[in-house]
Amino acid sequence: KAGVTQTPRYLIKTRGQQVTLSCSPISGHRSVSWYQQTPGQGLQFLFEYFSETQRNKGNFPGRFSGRQFSNSRSEMNVSTLELGDSALYLCASSAGTSGDNEQFFGPGTRLTVL
Amino acid sequence: TQLLEQSPQFLSIQEGENLTVYCNSSSVFSSLQWYRQEPGEGPVLLVTVVTGGEVKKLKRLTFQFGDARKDSSLHITAAQPGDTGLYLCAGEGTSYDKVIFGPGTSLSVIP
Repeated sequence: KAGVTQTPRYLIKTRGQQVTLSCSPISGHRSVSWYQQTPGQGLQFLFEYFSETQRNKGNFPGRFSGRQFSNSRSEMNVSTLELGDSALYLCASSAGTSGDNEQFFGPGTRLTVL
Repeated sequence: TQLLEQSPQFLSIQEGENLTVYCNSSSVFSSLQWYRQEPGEGPVLLVTVVTGGEVKKLKRLTFQFGDARKDSSLHITAAQPGDTGLYLCAGEGTSYDKVIFGPGTSLSVIP
């Protein structure tokens, strides 16, 4: 069974630009969660999508948005990039059902904002 | 707001030594998970503890969930260089499916 894949693995952008990151979950998983990881703040929850609907949302500004497609693949978009958005962005997939919500993480996308 | 604290933040030990890392909160969690993350990779789940007082063993790793389900510890016996990594605890809180991560303990095991 293939694991969670994220593309691209590395990305360099400048302030003010926008970026879209992609996550393909494990086959059969319907839940995709996104996290931001920085040395100062650790791993912080951005949002979770389940069956194309945002099911939960963390405490991030509206510049951070996401969506999920019918095949469970998910994208995350960050608009008007700021220097502080530089981070490792991780996605995690799970079955998303009660009693079966173990999360499997992808390798992450390293975003650098200059 | 539910928060998780981990200690120590950094730990560097010699191969063969024992160590314990801690995960604490003032909040109750319905379950708590431990992950290990290696450089360039995402976190990998090691264990989930659900019942207060529960002890789980995974080879040389022993995990304990506090009786009040507010804290947890991870004990590693005879550490090996392959144990090097960032150890994260994560709690499944009272809000639906929201998972909260601690800041992590960075462990370095020197051969």
